[in-house]
Amino acid sequence: EVQLVQSGAEVKKPGESLRISCKASGYSFTTYWIGWVRQMPGKGLEYMGIIYPGDSNTRYSPSFQGQVTISADKSITTAYLQWSSLKASDTAMYYCMRPLTYSIDSWGQGTLVTVSS
Amino acid sequence: DVVMTQSPLSLPVTLGQPASISCRSSQSLIHSDGNTYLSWFQQRPGQSPRRLIYKVSNRDSGVPDRFSGSGSGTDFTLKISRVEAEDVGVYYCMQGTHWPRTFGQGTKVEIK
Repeated sequence: EVQLVQSGAEVKKPGESLRISCKASGYSFTTYWIGWVRQMPGKGLEYMGIIYPGDSNTRYSPSFQGQVTISADKSITTAYLQWSSLKASDTAMYYCMRPLTYSIDSWGQGTLVTVSS
Repeated sequence: DVVMTQSPLSLPVTLGQPASISCRSSQSLIHSDGNTYLSWFQQRPGQSPRRLIYKVSNRDSGVPDRFSGSGSGTDFTLKISRVEAEDVGVYYCMQGTHWPRTFGQGTKVEIK
């Protein structure tokens, strides 16, 4: 069974850095893409980007290019989403997901990031 | 980016009655491989999304057969034949044919 288990909720101040994680299990981590979806408070889903852990090939949606960094550590089957300088507008729920066959077949439980001074 | 437009955005339904959600794309979703990559997701209150339908009309394992998907090209529909209380939530379409992948705005299904 595919499982994506995300790190816990975070409360940060504007300008701080942050890395959240997604631990994958139940499948071959290096042979499937893995990625992130944002959901701002009371809003819809936004596809941020994906990474192929086998070779670290990464694709970002243009809206998120340069705003976040997606990475993966195949030795511990974990994907990451990181910010170098958070803004209040980064406040959202972030979902880890497995894209498969041009869709999404699995989702993590979500990590709530709150950025407030 | 391909714009996905859902309607209605809010759908009050009576238990046991049918419901239908439309999803239209700004470009054809027919991939160069001949497939159409349109998926439907359900997000119940306080939960992560889960996929119901992929490639327009293929139901995921464990999804009740009261859910069905149809459509082609740029025009797609999710139907619930008889709405049950557990169907309350927000439904999203998503296109996987073009990069970046994009979602519809979501349709909130509630019980009258």
